[in-house]
Amino acid sequence: SQKIEQNSEALNIQEGKTATLTCNYTNYSPAYLQWYRQDPGRGPVFLLLIRENEKEKRKERLKVTFDTTLKQSLFHITASQPADSATYLCALVRNAGNMLTFGGGTRLMVKP
Amino acid sequence: NAGVTQTPKFQVLKTGQSMTLQCAQDMNHNSMYWYRQDPGMGLRLIYYSASEGTTDKGEVPNGYNVSRLNKREFSLRLESAAPSQTSVYFCASSEYQGGTEAFFGQGTRLTVV
Repeated sequence: SQKIEQNSEALNIQEGKTATLTCNYTNYSPAYLQWYRQDPGRGPVFLLLIRENEKEKRKERLKVTFDTTLKQSLFHITASQPADSATYLCALVRNAGNMLTFGGGTRLMVKP
Repeated sequence: NAGVTQTPKFQVLKTGQSMTLQCAQDMNHNSMYWYRQDPGMGLRLIYYSASEGTTDKGEVPNGYNVSRLNKREFSLRLESAAPSQTSVYFCASSEYQGGTEAFFGQGTRLTVV
């Protein structure tokens, strides 16, 4: 069956360090992969989109990699700040059907 | 711009009652979606509408119906609420299906007792 897996355990890091979150998928051939941020009590907010033919995408302190051989995306936040504390969701768009399917999310806690 | 607006924000229903969750977007998007979010389960797609006049089932459609009233509005109906439908419901829209960013509403927290 198709699965999108994110680490369900919270990631705790110190302010200023780089946070790295992982998104693994099985039985998918995604055309796109997206990352969202979700704060408690709020809807998800789009951060970055990366296509299957792109290996890396950057936006300010954010970097996303996409390895279709490993079936994995890594999401990096450099120089992390307490304000980066949130849950981060990855989402895939399959080649067929084009539905946006989400992983379970990873909670990031950045401590001052 | 309001973006995606959902109503109500909170609702408590008794088992067997019916209700409709409303969603409207003002971004002229073609595609709209309804998700539910449960602890540890992430967001699961209930129904989606790729364009005005079309609706399709997502991962977890049982117990729900939808109506794409016009390009702006996409409603979700629970005909006979069950405790298993206690969840947070999110409406989202995108310019077209899948390939562009999705914009989400604030969510509706529904409790069925």
